[in-house]
Amino acid sequence: EAGVAQSPRYKIIEKRQSVAFWCNPISGHATLYWYQQILGQGPKLLIQFQNNGVVDDSQLPKDRFSAERLKGVDSTLKIQPAKLEDSAVYLCASSLSNLRSGYTFGSGTRLTVV
Amino acid sequence: EDKVVQSPLSLVVHEGDTVTLNCSYEVTNFRSLLWYKQEKKAPTFLFMLTSSGIEKKSGRLSSILDKKELFSILNITATQTGDSAIYLCAVVKYGGSQGNLIFGKGTKLSVKP
Repeated sequence: EAGVAQSPRYKIIEKRQSVAFWCNPISGHATLYWYQQILGQGPKLLIQFQNNGVVDDSQLPKDRFSAERLKGVDSTLKIQPAKLEDSAVYLCASSLSNLRSGYTFGSGTRLTVV
Repeated sequence: EDKVVQSPLSLVVHEGDTVTLNCSYEVTNFRSLLWYKQEKKAPTFLFMLTSSGIEKKSGRLSSILDKKELFSILNITATQTGDSAIYLCAVVKYGGSQGNLIFGKGTKLSVKP
């Protein structure tokens, strides 16, 4: 089966600019997650979708971050305006609702804010 | 506050050595514990542990969970340079944002030839 697709692979932007990341989960996976992984730390959940509804966005900095999954398939994560501390790898993952097959991560987007 | 703590944070060994990576947790409504290997960006799944005392094994890797003492270990025998990576431990909770993974900071393993 095809894996979780993410783009772009790398992005360098200046602070205060905006950026968007895209994720296409594994076909049939109802649950989609966006994680932020700062260098030297484990991934931290930003937002979790179940189909096209938000399940958990409690750790999403909503003043600058937004995410959507309009048709319950692919998703976009946006940062506007970016800050230096947003430099991180942004990982998308998907799973079946019952979690039996575990989670599959995409290859991530490495964001550098200068 | 839920937390997952991994130790050591980094480890350097020589090929052929055996290593043990540790993961302890304090999490309400524990459901399962997962181990991932992260070489570049994407973590790749190794094991999912739900029951205490049942060892999961895949080649030279094995893992076990102790739900009474709230920890898990990941063993790698006869290490190879290709085992060099960050090993992440994560816990899944029941209820609330079911499926949310709470990760530790990871153990960076370096295997020297």
